[in-house]
Amino acid sequence: DVKVTQSSRYLVKRTGEKVFLECVQDMDHENMFWYRQDPGLGLRLIYFSYDVKMKEKGDIPEGYSVSREKKERFSLILESASTNQTSMYLCASSFYRTGEDTQYFGPGTRLTVL
Amino acid sequence: GDSVTQMEGPVTLSEEAFLTINCTYTATGYPSLFWYVQYPGEGLQLLLKATKADDKGSNKGFEATYRKETTSFHLEKGSVQVSDSAVYFCALSDYGGSQGNLIFGKGTKLSVKP
Repeated sequence: DVKVTQSSRYLVKRTGEKVFLECVQDMDHENMFWYRQDPGLGLRLIYFSYDVKMKEKGDIPEGYSVSREKKERFSLILESASTNQTSMYLCASSFYRTGEDTQYFGPGTRLTVL
Repeated sequence: GDSVTQMEGPVTLSEEAFLTINCTYTATGYPSLFWYVQYPGEGLQLLLKATKADDKGSNKGFEATYRKETTSFHLEKGSVQVSDSAVYFCALSDYGGSQGNLIFGKGTKLSVKP
């Protein structure tokens, strides 16, 4: 079974702190994704990566950055956390292959910024 | 651009009732279509998928048929259980954009009462 793990289930940070969210997958997937999920807005794509050291902006990249130094690990960074970044953050991965576009999700990190 | 529209919830049903959650899409090309489910406190799990017109995806008693003529992928189950209470997301693969991206609907919350 595909396993996508996220470093924390719950996280509480203060405004202005630098926050790191880590995601690891064990299926040798090329693609990795970061979403945030908010009530009434569904899932919104923040960043994605289709290879090591590659990254692409999604729909809402402002206030976030990412890092992918190894194939299995994709980190989301909040450079200076703000209260409007309080949300559920979901990581996902998939193969980079036509017809194999199923994404596999981690359990999510619920981040609260005070 | 490509988009997914699904019925707004919440949907409340009694156990053993028939379930339909409507999903329609707009897409260029021939996307794959997905239903994901999110149980309380968890990440998203793939429920079923269909990759071409007239395909039927099925899993755990849920079914959805890829209808190109009506651009729909409605989720159905003949007899729901309390354990089906969750949020359901319809999604399509975004071949108009970057390989591997999915576009999600906003989700429909289902509550099943005993």
